[in-house]
Amino acid sequence: DIVLTQSPGTLSLSPGERATLSCRASQSVRNNYLAWYQQKPGQAPRLLIYDASSRATGIPDRFSGSGSGTDFTLTISRLEPEDLAVYYCQQYGSSAGFTFGPGTKVDIK
Amino acid sequence: EVQLLESGGGLVQPGGSLRLSCAASGFTFSSYAMNWVRQAPGKGLEWVSSISYSGISTYYADSVKGRFTISSDHSKSTLYLQMNSLRAEDTAVYYCARGENLIAAQDYWGQGTLVTVSS
Repeated sequence: DIVLTQSPGTLSLSPGERATLSCRASQSVRNNYLAWYQQKPGQAPRLLIYDASSRATGIPDRFSGSGSGTDFTLTISRLEPEDLAVYYCQQYGSSAGFTFGPGTKVDIK
Repeated sequence: EVQLLESGGGLVQPGGSLRLSCAASGFTFSSYAMNWVRQAPGKGLEWVSSISYSGISTYYADSVKGRFTISSDHSKSTLYLQMNSLRAEDTAVYYCARGENLIAAQDYWGQGTLVTVSS
């Protein structure tokens, strides 16, 4: 099974700053089938990025995804207070099913 | 508007059974794969099970294989998860989520239903 590792565990930044979140896979993710989700407190997850770099419908362009193979990045170009959330990466290219990373918590100073 | 509404959660004793439902609306249910994902209190997300758009192909996480059964009723646009032999570690919020197909990210999620396994 593919294991996903996310870093850092927590990111504390001020509004307007740039956030860079990392997701590393234990083996290459087939066809870069890697997604990013945002989960705000008390809410269900929301899809931000799919196929490593495609933004989901309605997602602001300050969210962007990049990477391939085993190393992927979610960038939030200018943090806003409502971006307070936990961000999960997920791979969906394995026949053994989906796996999620442990998450990165983004705190707004 | 796409909507997914889970129901059926609650308190159940270890070894007991529960059936979760996910009522879908706002899209052609029979054209999409569907999934169950759970989240234990204060923990991360864990994939549980997936079913193809046709309902023919099903997949399970090792942690639930042989105990949980996913199914769908296209006439009712409803997804189900039959959970048997429940354990304390199955305690979680269970979300249903839509995927364009089995190899796809999940673009819409329900609000979740809480399952608590405790004596």
